[in-house]
Amino acid sequence: DVKVTQSSRYLVKRTGEKVFLECVQDMDHENMFWYRQDPGLGLRLIYFSYDVKMKEKGDIPEGYSVSREKKERFSLILESASTNQTSMYLCASSLAGSLRDTQYFGPGTRLTVL
Amino acid sequence: KNEVEQSPQNLTAQEGEFITINCSYSVGISALHWLQQHPGGGIVSLFMLSSGKKKHGRLIATINIQEKHSSLHITASHPRDSAVYICAVYYGNKLVFGAGTILRVKS
Repeated sequence: DVKVTQSSRYLVKRTGEKVFLECVQDMDHENMFWYRQDPGLGLRLIYFSYDVKMKEKGDIPEGYSVSREKKERFSLILESASTNQTSMYLCASSLAGSLRDTQYFGPGTRLTVL
Repeated sequence: KNEVEQSPQNLTAQEGEFITINCSYSVGISALHWLQQHPGGGIVSLFMLSSGKKKHGRLIATINIQEKHSSLHITASHPRDSAVYICAVYYGNKLVFGAGTILRVKS
């Protein structure tokens, strides 16, 4: 079974702090994704990566950056956290090839920025 | 306006009832996904469809490409089916998600 893990289930940070969210997958997937999920809005894509050191902006990249130094690990960075970044953050991965293929999700990190 | 609309937003059913959740989209797509999210956050992929119908256990998913519409049916519903069901379409090299349908099945 594919396993996607995220470093924290719950995180509380203060405005202005730098925040790192880590995601690791164990199935040698090429594609990795970061989403945020807010009530009534569904999942929105922040960034994705289709290879090591490659990244593409999603729909809402402002205020975020990403890092993919190793194939299995995709990090989401909030350079200076703000209260409007309070949300559920979900990481996902999928096999190489078409980005339309099934994505496997991590358990999510619920981030609160005070 | 969201490109993917789901209805209903909330649904409460009695155990054993037949349930239908609808998904309409406004753009041409090559694939549609149905996903399930249980309390606590974990999301599981149920189906990927590009045409016709798929069945897995008590779950059935259909898609009508011409009408830009898909339905997810649950037969003989059970309290363990309580979850958020999410429709997502593959459009412009990424998935676009609906807001989800919150389903509660009472015993």
